[in-house]
Amino acid sequence: KQEVTQIPAALSVPEGENLVLNCSFTDSAIYNLQWFRQDPGKGLTSLLLIQSSQREQTSGRLNASLDKSSGRSTLYIAASQPGDSATYLCAVSGPNAGKSTFGDGTTLTVKP
Amino acid sequence: GAGVSQSPSNKVTEKGKDVELRCDPISGHTALYWYRQSLGQGLEFLIYFQGNSAPDKSGLPSDRFSAERTGGSVSTLTIQRTQQEDSAVYLCASSLKGVNGYTFGSGTRLTVV
Repeated sequence: KQEVTQIPAALSVPEGENLVLNCSFTDSAIYNLQWFRQDPGKGLTSLLLIQSSQREQTSGRLNASLDKSSGRSTLYIAASQPGDSATYLCAVSGPNAGKSTFGDGTTLTVKP
Repeated sequence: GAGVSQSPSNKVTEKGKDVELRCDPISGHTALYWYRQSLGQGLEFLIYFQGNSAPDKSGLPSDRFSAERTGGSVSTLTIQRTQQEDSAVYLCASSLKGVNGYTFGSGTRLTVV
């Protein structure tokens, strides 16, 4: 059974700092890994999708990496802003592109 | 449609009543998923559809929960004889054949009183 862990559970940083969120998974036979953002009381917004054959994906100030063999992914946020404050979740799909297993998320607070 | 649409956005129901939650996926997306998120908790998988069939129903918590999908499009999640522990946000997502990642709807917040 796939298990997904996100560390830390909460993180508070000053505006402008670069930061890394971590996601680890127990079964490396994945189809893809997806990072989401969830604002309080809202649904999930997709940030980045990494297919199992890829090593990283970038979008603006966000960079996600994937190391399947070690069961790890990181989400790097450059030059953080107060608007980045949200809960960030990673989800792992596979191996048959069926349901995804979600981590419990990291709640990020960026202080002005 | 342009996105995944869920209705109603909020539902308050009395304990013991039945409720139906609706999900309208992105046009052309063959895969559809239901998850629920209890207050302060992570996402709990409920059921997955590929077309109109459900190859994975393993997350449905009890036989009070059922779901169907018709025409490879709209899905309804039905909860019979609701209990207070059913209170949660029910999230629907769709995906193009399950390979291009999920797009989520805004969810239905269910409160059982």
